Amino acid sequence: SQQGEEDPQALSIQEGENATMNCSYKTSINNLQWYRQNSGRGLVHLILIRSNEREKHSGRLRVTLDTSKKSSSLLITASRAADTASYFCATDEGSNDYKLSFGAGTTVTVRA
Amino acid sequence: DAGITQSPRHKVTETGTPVTLRCHQTENHRYMYWYRQDPGHGLRLIHYSYGVKDTDKGEVSDGYSVSRSKTEDFLLTLESATSSQTSVYFCAIGTGSFQPQHFGDGTRLSIL
Repeated sequence: SQQGEEDPQALSIQEGENATMNCSYKTSINNLQWYRQNSGRGLVHLILIRSNEREKHSGRLRVTLDTSKKSSSLLITASRAADTASYFCATDEGSNDYKLSFGAGTTVTVRA
Repeated sequence: DAGITQSPRHKVTETGTPVTLRCHQTENHRYMYWYRQDPGHGLRLIHYSYGVKDTDKGEVSDGYSVSRSKTEDFLLTLESATSSQTSVYFCAIGTGSFQPQHFGDGTRLSIL
């Protein structure tokens, strides 16, 4: 079953605005990852955050993790048309940390 | 980009026929995965491999079998395809714990 669930399912923003999406999960994790998928392509890894980390940055991306609430957020700042994609969170399965469970994703549309 | 090639990229076949999808990697990664992606479900793990001849079931393994006779190749077989197996299939590779997975560009399979 899916461990992670993203919210919202879809998001439409103007270029230059920030986009925030959230991920909730059910059981304890060792790490949480965010991926991007452009239409018709495979998933591309964006960022990995370990369970003992609270925040991580990569370029215009900021990821937070709150293990007490079993939730994570992905913030994309100063969005561009090229950020239009689906974004997925993925969590490991605790004892099997080389296996990932993906949520259904958030579809982000950035309007020019 | 990680060296992952999926073949074929598109396939249309009839119910009841056998189908084999191939994933080929040039990265010498230990772990290989097969996922299916359907609207509203995100990615679901079908089978995975943790070494040559070492495979295990994922969340949605019924109706699928896999084989890995060499490090670089991971085959997914639908012994007798059904319409419910119409989907986009993704192969991924990884090196293990706390590491991202790298995805191929998918195989779009339609079973009529």
